[in-house]
Amino acid sequence: SYVLTQPPSVSVAPGQTARITCEGNNIGSESVHWYQQKPGQAPVLVVSDDSDRPSGIPERFSGSNSGNTATLTISRVEAGDEADYYCQVWDPSSDHWVFGGGTKLTVL
Amino acid sequence: QVQLVESGGGVVQPGRSLRLSCAASGFTFSSYAMHWVRQAPGKGLEWVALISYDGSKKYYADSVKGRFTISRDNSKNTLSLQMNSLRAEDTALYYCARAPPFGNAAFDIWGQGTMVTVSS
Repeated sequence: SYVLTQPPSVSVAPGQTARITCEGNNIGSESVHWYQQKPGQAPVLVVSDDSDRPSGIPERFSGSNSGNTATLTISRVEAGDEADYYCQVWDPSSDHWVFGGGTKLTVL
Repeated sequence: QVQLVESGGGVVQPGRSLRLSCAASGFTFSSYAMHWVRQAPGKGLEWVALISYDGSKKYYADSVKGRFTISRDNSKNTLSLQMNSLRAEDTALYYCARAPPFGNAAFDIWGQGTMVTVSS
């Protein structure tokens, strides 16, 4: 089955740029979605189809996808961005949705 | 407003059954695919099952295939998950989520979840 690999944690100072990666075999040929989950809350979609931002999501959130790595980039990080972030793809070979293991973003 | 509300969670013994429900409101339920996603305590997200907008297609994670059944009633705007032969490893917070019915669309709305604990 398809595997998505994320770093367990990423730390960044306020105002800096956070980059969270999601690695998968030829992931660049798939559409990647990203979710933010704050403690005690349901996940929220922050980037869809590699780089689209849903309504209400700040422009500071952006995404890219190429080769074997997809990346969620959060510019001008704020304390309120501290959360777990998950990448997701549809695996057509198994008809399964797959989530990455999640990355905990810590704002220093 | 657009809303998904899960119910039916609780404590159940291993081997027993439980039925979860998800009530949808604020949107045309019959136009969307629906999913169940679970999260074990302190762990990440795990996709469980998908049902197409009209109920004609259903897909399951390998970990639940043959034990869980997803269904929907578009006349009542309700999604269900029948869980049989429950195991300790099924203990999790279960979310329902919607997705537009095209391609591999993202899950754009999530409920707050209902907790299932499998324990003797």
